[in-house]
Amino acid sequence: EVKLLESGGGLVQPGGSMRLSCAASGFTFTDFYMNWIRQPAGKAPEWLGFIRNKANGYTTEYNPSVKGRFTISRDNTQNMLYLQMNTLRAEDTATYYCARRTRRGYYFDYWGQGVMVTVSS
Amino acid sequence: IQLTQSPSLLSASVGDRVTLSCKGSQNINNYLAWYQQKLGEAPKLLIYNTNSLQTGIPSRFSGSGSGTDYTLTISSLQPEDVATYFCYQYNNGFTFGSGTKLEIK
Repeated sequence: EVKLLESGGGLVQPGGSMRLSCAASGFTFTDFYMNWIRQPAGKAPEWLGFIRNKANGYTTEYNPSVKGRFTISRDNTQNMLYLQMNTLRAEDTATYYCARRTRRGYYFDYWGQGVMVTVSS
Repeated sequence: IQLTQSPSLLSASVGDRVTLSCKGSQNINNYLAWYQQKLGEAPKLLIYNTNSLQTGIPSRFSGSGSGTDYTLTISSLQPEDVATYFCYQYNNGFTFGSGTKLEIK
């Protein structure tokens, strides 16, 4: 059974940093692109970025809205995905999800349960 | 590409045929998916590539469309279908629509 479990959320002050983690299980982690997606309360999801699979060199792509502030990485020995967020702003307040891209296309077949990040003083 | 969903709120009766709309600001070339999100849960994939039903999704859900205009249809609304539905395009970048909240009348 595919499982994705995020952790590391909470309250952070504006300008601060936070690292989110996502533990993956139930599938061959290195075969898949992995994504981070966020959703402010009551709003639409927003794709943040992905890290490619082993066959594509684990390279990354980002939404321009977060490029330069957010960094996606993965530890393939531990089946872990990470999102390092720097210079956080109030508008970064949201629920953050990790999600697996399917083999067939750039859509997401499994999502974690999400972790809340609140940026506030 | 920006996605506009309509209506933003839809109230229908159990057993009704329900149609949700998603319109892109540019041609989406059928690279469109639909997600269902129940309160407090992560989005769930229903439809991909416009009209392909994800494994395990009931056949009352179907998708159609082309170009800039796409539709999700529920053939017979069930109480468990109460949720917000998002369309999502992956033709040019990756963007979600603003959602349609579906309620039971």
